[in-house]
Amino acid sequence: EVQLLESGGGLVQPGGSLRLSCAASGFTFSTCAMTWVRQAPGKGLEWVSAISGGGGATYYADSVKGRFTISRDNSKNTLYLQMNSLRAEDTAIYYCAKDPRGQLENFDYWGQGTLVTVSS
Amino acid sequence: QSVLTQPPSVSAAPGQKVTISCSGSSSNIGNNYVSWYQQLPGTAPKLLIYENNKRPSGIPDRFSGSKSGTSATLGITGLQTGDEADYYCGTWDRSLNPGPVFGGGTKLTVL
Repeated sequence: EVQLLESGGGLVQPGGSLRLSCAASGFTFSTCAMTWVRQAPGKGLEWVSAISGGGGATYYADSVKGRFTISRDNSKNTLYLQMNSLRAEDTAIYYCAKDPRGQLENFDYWGQGTLVTVSS
Repeated sequence: QSVLTQPPSVSAAPGQKVTISCSGSSSNIGNNYVSWYQQLPGTAPKLLIYENNKRPSGIPDRFSGSKSGTSATLGITGLQTGDEADYYCGTWDRSLNPGPVFGGGTKLTVL
């Protein structure tokens, strides 16, 4: 059974940093592209970032480019999102999701999400 | 403002059929596959439809997807109270900021 478990969310001040983790199990993690999608309170879904299975290719939404860094440790089956220079508009639930074909066309399994709140 | 346009809400009675539209452009829906997600209250999104009309294992055939030109449609037949959720369409957009995009979501109410 595929499982994705996010952690690392919390309350952080504007300008601060946070690192999210997503522990994966139930599939061959190292061969799967992964992505982060966020959802602001009461709002819709927004794609944030993606990474190839080997980690050599990364992609970012313009809204986070230069501030967020996606990475992965295939030996630990874990995906990360390093978030720096956080802003109030980054407040959201952050979901990690599995990209079955690595084409950023659809995401077949999602974690339960971790809440990030940016506020003073 | 979402790149893909969905109606904010739809409603229908149990047992009835409902459709949810998703309108885009040649930069997104017109040249890429569409997927649909169901988000039950307080839970993570769940993939319902991929590649316009394919259902993942375990998704009942009450759910169907179609695409025509720059629009896509999700259909749900035999509505159940458990279908009350937010539904999102998604695709790739190759315009100024290339990447996956989602519709604004449609709240389905089963009366």
